Amino acid sequence: AQRVTQPEKLLSVFKGAPVELKCNYSYSGSPELFWYVQYSRQRLQLLLRHISRESIKGFTADLNKGETSFHLKKPFAQEEDSAMYYCALSADNYGQNFVFGPGTRLSVLP
Amino acid sequence: ETGVTQSPTHLIKTRGQQVTLRCSSQSGHNTVSWYQQALGQGPQFIFQYYREEENGRGNFPPRFSGLQFPNYSSELNVNALELDDSALYLCASSQTGEWGYTFGSGTRLTVV
Repeated sequence: AQRVTQPEKLLSVFKGAPVELKCNYSYSGSPELFWYVQYSRQRLQLLLRHISRESIKGFTADLNKGETSFHLKKPFAQEEDSAMYYCALSADNYGQNFVFGPGTRLSVLP
Repeated sequence: ETGVTQSPTHLIKTRGQQVTLRCSSQSGHNTVSWYQQALGQGPQFIFQYYREEENGRGNFPPRFSGLQFPNYSSELNVNALELDDSALYLCASSQTGEWGYTFGSGTRLTVV
């Protein structure tokens, strides 16, 4: 069965500190992994996907198939990074029909 | 507006009633998907529609049904509402063969 876990419901860090949001998945094939973000009073939006290997807003994520993880990292957190972050898995080729994790709320303190 | 729009934004229904939620796809998108997001949880995939037919379904009972219209707008219908149906319902549109989704802001359904 496809499943995404995010062990931390809430993560608080100080501005300028490194951030790592954890994500683990279970899937028998080769999934596409994504991170979605939801800022306060905004709709859910894509942050990054593993296949593009991009760095968006300073965030990066590496897919570790051995550990079935896709942790999201940023070296220096900013207050505007405070948001809800969802890790998601897609079994199709077009990044659709996701299985989402429960989400982690990141709070960056001044 | 060219993004995904959902209506209504909020809705209160009584247990046992039926509800219809509406979604207008982003311009140029021909596929629509619906998700249920309970409080404190991530979105859960309900189903997807393409060319007016259901094209994939998550683990939801048949009382959750949908429609897609020729203009690619969509409806989510839920019969015999239960208290656990209280959630934020998200619509997302996409274009077949192209990557990615655009999410709407959602409809908050409260069942009392």
